[in-house]
Amino acid sequence: GAVVSQHPSRVICKSGTSVKIECRSLDFQATTMFWYRQFPKQSLMLMATSNEGSKATYEQGVEKDKFLINHASLTLSTLTVTSAHPEDSSFYICSAGRYANREKLFFGSGTQLSVL
Amino acid sequence: AQTVTQSQPEMSVQEAETVTLSCTYDTSESDYYLFWYKQPPSRQMILVIRQEAYKQQNATENRFSVNFQKAAKSFSLKISDSQLGDAAMYFCAYRSGIQGAQKLVFGQGTRLTINP
Repeated sequence: GAVVSQHPSRVICKSGTSVKIECRSLDFQATTMFWYRQFPKQSLMLMATSNEGSKATYEQGVEKDKFLINHASLTLSTLTVTSAHPEDSSFYICSAGRYANREKLFFGSGTQLSVL
Repeated sequence: AQTVTQSQPEMSVQEAETVTLSCTYDTSESDYYLFWYKQPPSRQMILVIRQEAYKQQNATENRFSVNFQKAAKSFSLKISDSQLGDAAMYFCAYRSGIQGAQKLVFGQGTRLTINP
């Protein structure tokens, strides 16, 4: 089956620093990738939709200047948490689909971000 | 906007028994997809089963089956012959059938415990 690789799996950083998370589709081209955030014991909340070659679409309430998304190629999307603060500590998961609409989505293994 | 509701925060079942997890959703669309995802302690999202709204027949995957009631907007998951490995968070999810709309809307999740 299709594989989505997400790195790093865990990152600890100091408050005020920036952290980049990568999401790669290893064996297929993904024109669209999705970034979710999951707080402990809660559901996945969509943060933004990453479109290859164009600007990301952010969900209401998500700060685009805080969470920078770049989808420069058909196999890579990155999420950068800028000037991270303790409240940004969370589990971030990406997902990607091979075709529009009909194909199922594949998930990365997630990144646990801890901001000290 | 579409919403997904899982009214059972926690469920438990004896090993080898059958358990049903509930899910309801709200949408004005006629074409959509419904999913059940499993999230074990590793937090990797695993697709359990998928149902296309235009199909009347309930989807089945080995020990997992759904009861899809379109008019009632209900989509429950039945797990037969429960196994210890089934213990996880289970999320019900909705995806629009509109061309290009791939994002998933998740329910709150149900934590399933299997008692040996």
